[in-house]
Amino acid sequence: GIQVEQSPPDLILQEGANSTLRCNFSDSVNNLQWFHQNPWGQLINLFYIPSGTKQNGRLSATTVATERYSLLYISSSQTTDSGVYFCAVVMNYGGSQGNLIFGKGTKLSVKP
Amino acid sequence: DTGVSQNPRHKITKRGQNVTFRCDPISEHNRLYWYRQTLGQGPEFLTYFQNEAQLEKSRLLSDRFSAERPKGSFSTLEIQRTEQGDSAMYLCASSLTLNTEYSGNTIYFGEGSWLTVV
Repeated sequence: GIQVEQSPPDLILQEGANSTLRCNFSDSVNNLQWFHQNPWGQLINLFYIPSGTKQNGRLSATTVATERYSLLYISSSQTTDSGVYFCAVVMNYGGSQGNLIFGKGTKLSVKP
Repeated sequence: DTGVSQNPRHKITKRGQNVTFRCDPISEHNRLYWYRQTLGQGPEFLTYFQNEAQLEKSRLLSDRFSAERPKGSFSTLEIQRTEQGDSAMYLCASSLTLNTEYSGNTIYFGEGSWLTVV
């Protein structure tokens, strides 16, 4: 099956710093989403981005589908950005429409 | 509507007992998903429904697991004869998908139901 690898696994930032999270996937995908899981377990959808670039406030994401990776940028980080960031994909061929395959996540801690 | 609602939020049960979780999706959403998440891992797909039809089940969903969505609204996930390996957070999600192709409509997750089997 498709492999989804995220890096780095852990990241500690000082408030105000910028960061880049990476997601590599091993096969062609027709769906890629970024999620944030807060310390209480709630998963929030950040971006649906199978290709191209999107921005939402201090967050932006870029997916280069032909090279099989996606990047999530966090600028001017805040303590509320802490949590785990997941990348999830659906395979382009043979992938179930309901089956998002998640990576293991990047755990971000933003210190005041 | 306040989002996807799951209950109970926490359940501690003895090995061998049955447990049932309930999920109430966002009211107009036609798709409902169940995922399982263990510590340090990403969520793993279990099953999903389009309205009342269960369209796919993961091989993770052993015969001790059963999910229903009888009227295309709320859903239940039952685990029979629980084992310690069933300890995890069970996540429900929903989306509004307007055609047979996955359109990328946003998936909304509930806060999860934590299961501890002792």
